[in-house]
Amino acid sequence: DGGITQSPKYLFRKEGQNVTLSCEQNLNHDAMYWYRQDPGQGLRLIYYSQIVNDFQKGDIAEGYSVSREKKESFPLTVTSAQKNPTAFYLCASSTGPGELFFGEGSRLTVL
Amino acid sequence: GENVEQHPSTLSVQEGDSAVIKCTYSDSASNYFPWYKQELGKRPQLIIDIRSNVGEKKDQRIAVTLNKTAKHFSLHITETQPEDSAVYFCAASWDSSYKLIFGSGTRLLVRP
Repeated sequence: DGGITQSPKYLFRKEGQNVTLSCEQNLNHDAMYWYRQDPGQGLRLIYYSQIVNDFQKGDIAEGYSVSREKKESFPLTVTSAQKNPTAFYLCASSTGPGELFFGEGSRLTVL
Repeated sequence: GENVEQHPSTLSVQEGDSAVIKCTYSDSASNYFPWYKQELGKRPQLIIDIRSNVGEKKDQRIAVTLNKTAKHFSLHITETQPEDSAVYFCAASWDSSYKLIFGSGTRLLVRP
């Protein structure tokens, strides 16, 4: 069953801790993305990767890091430098510019 | 950079009525305009898109119109049904760009 899988679905973190969100896809898509969703602000692009071993900053990359060592995987690390990390995080993939296929999201809460 | 503004933020309509959501974009180079629907607790999914070489596109009860001169595009839903209740996002980008810029979303409620 093809798709894009995010884990964990819910995550709690103490202030000052780094946390890594997982995103895996078996759609054979070259491109992968991370978006942050906050109420009333739509979807904001954090990082994207067009191909393995390459990625670019989006509009709100500060306090986040990514890696793209495998085509199937694009993990996002929320570092302690991110001032307001509590949010809903969506991973997506695509064959190229155009339609995005989203995962079900990960909700991060900083305690 | 590109900026996309979306209005209204919330919209409530009676079942069977039409709903219209409007977006404006800032970058005249943008030529790809998709619309995504996100039902409560679910992932966003593409429902329709339009490229700048056409002015209107329809798919059953939904249609999108584009005015390149004014840099705005709209989503039209006719004969609304309760299952149309969701958050709708417009977006814009240009050919060969992987950066899709989203609007802030419209929460549509269809009252039975």
